Amino acid sequence: DQQVKQNSPSLSVQEGRISILNCDYTNSMFDYFLWYKKYPAEGPTFLISISSIKDKNEDGRFTVFLNKSAKHLSLHIVPSQPGDSAVYFCAASAGTDKLIFGTGTRLQVFP
Amino acid sequence: EAQVTQNPRYLITVTGKKLTVTCSQNMNHEYMSWYRQDPGLGLRQIYYSMNVEVTDKGDVPEGYKVSRKEKRNFPLILESPSPNQTSLYFCASSSLAGGTDTQYFGPGTRLTVL
Repeated sequence: DQQVKQNSPSLSVQEGRISILNCDYTNSMFDYFLWYKKYPAEGPTFLISISSIKDKNEDGRFTVFLNKSAKHLSLHIVPSQPGDSAVYFCAASAGTDKLIFGTGTRLQVFP
Repeated sequence: EAQVTQNPRYLITVTGKKLTVTCSQNMNHEYMSWYRQDPGLGLRQIYYSMNVEVTDKGDVPEGYKVSRKEKRNFPLILESPSPNQTSLYFCASSSLAGGTDTQYFGPGTRLTVL
């Protein structure tokens, strides 16, 4: 049973435009959500997070939105740059319980 | 430099030949874990450790063993590897479990079992 789902395996966006990556979850006990970014031949690296008491968190070009009633979060990248091309994983946890990762979305930003 | 190291980075082996993938972190983290990444399945946790001599099963522990004799090291052991363990493996560490603390990942070990 996949508790964290990323239904789009890939996304292609033109440079300068907005990239929107989506993530859905099923466990209402999740209270912390994170996005990790992964380049080929490297391990995932932390990008941005949000706790369930907020509905938005912004860090430069990256903004994460949380809709608790819909059990949905999204990552917005504005403007998108070629260096953003990577696989993005969303992850969630309930308190200090383990992180549950989604299946990943491969983002390609083309010139 | 704060980092998680894994060795080897690439390994091709045959069914049944015991192997160990090492993992070491230099951040004095309490929590360490192993994941495997497979197409369409994302990252799944194999085993984790909350502290020295404390280990527990993750979501896909079958066929794997771990040990945590020192805080910095968390080796992954495959006693009798099988082809379904062909995967990309990541070790990770953090100060705390869960999502409230950033997990730092190693560069990955790509394992092929023939």
